[in-house]
Amino acid sequence: DTEVTQTPKHLVMGMTNKKSLKCEQHMGHRAMYWYKQKAKKPPELMFVYSYEKLSINESVPSRFSPECPNSSLLNLHLHALQPEDSALYLCASSQSGTEVDEQYFGPGTRLTVT
Amino acid sequence: DQQVKQNSPSLSVQEGRISILNCDYTNSMFDYFLWYKKYPAEGPTFLISISSIKDKNEDGRFTVFLNKSAKHLSLHIVPSQPGDSAVYFCAASFQGAQKLVFGQGTRLTINP
Repeated sequence: DTEVTQTPKHLVMGMTNKKSLKCEQHMGHRAMYWYKQKAKKPPELMFVYSYEKLSINESVPSRFSPECPNSSLLNLHLHALQPEDSALYLCASSQSGTEVDEQYFGPGTRLTVT
Repeated sequence: DQQVKQNSPSLSVQEGRISILNCDYTNSMFDYFLWYKKYPAEGPTFLISISSIKDKNEDGRFTVFLNKSAKHLSLHIVPSQPGDSAVYFCAASFQGAQKLVFGQGTRLTINP
């Protein structure tokens, strides 16, 4: 199994809703990542988990809350989002939990905030 | 401050010819570089990487060249195929950083 899966593929939510994005990998990778990508822009790093612990938070607003229940799963909890948060949310994983390594991306969740 | 730059937003190449995608960086601490390919509505796919101890890495049709003195890298695809049409992102990092810095991307179109 060499893939990163993400659910749901598409999500539409209102500004008062609470929802969660899920990511899963079974490659035994030690680091997992959340990125946000707007149209015609590169992916922007949001969070990094190494060995199930949050190691990088790129000053992301608290309305985004990551969670790593175990080494294979990564969640992103969403609450009180703004329309400008609409984007493609990408999850990635890499083998090393400490060094830079090739990151493998999931297909993304297309989020629309109304 | 854009530390990784892909100055060509788009590139059009004839099928069978060589495609050359370029990337420049400003941070001299970067020592690990990667290329990703992205189709619409999909996540980026890892293509090839190179560390600063090398100046060339080859994998099938893909070759990455690194010129450290010029802070420049390039991805060569030969021969180009229609399935290579996608957006290509260059990314850079340094050991211990765990963070990739991406360029803005170049849209490659392979014409029959």
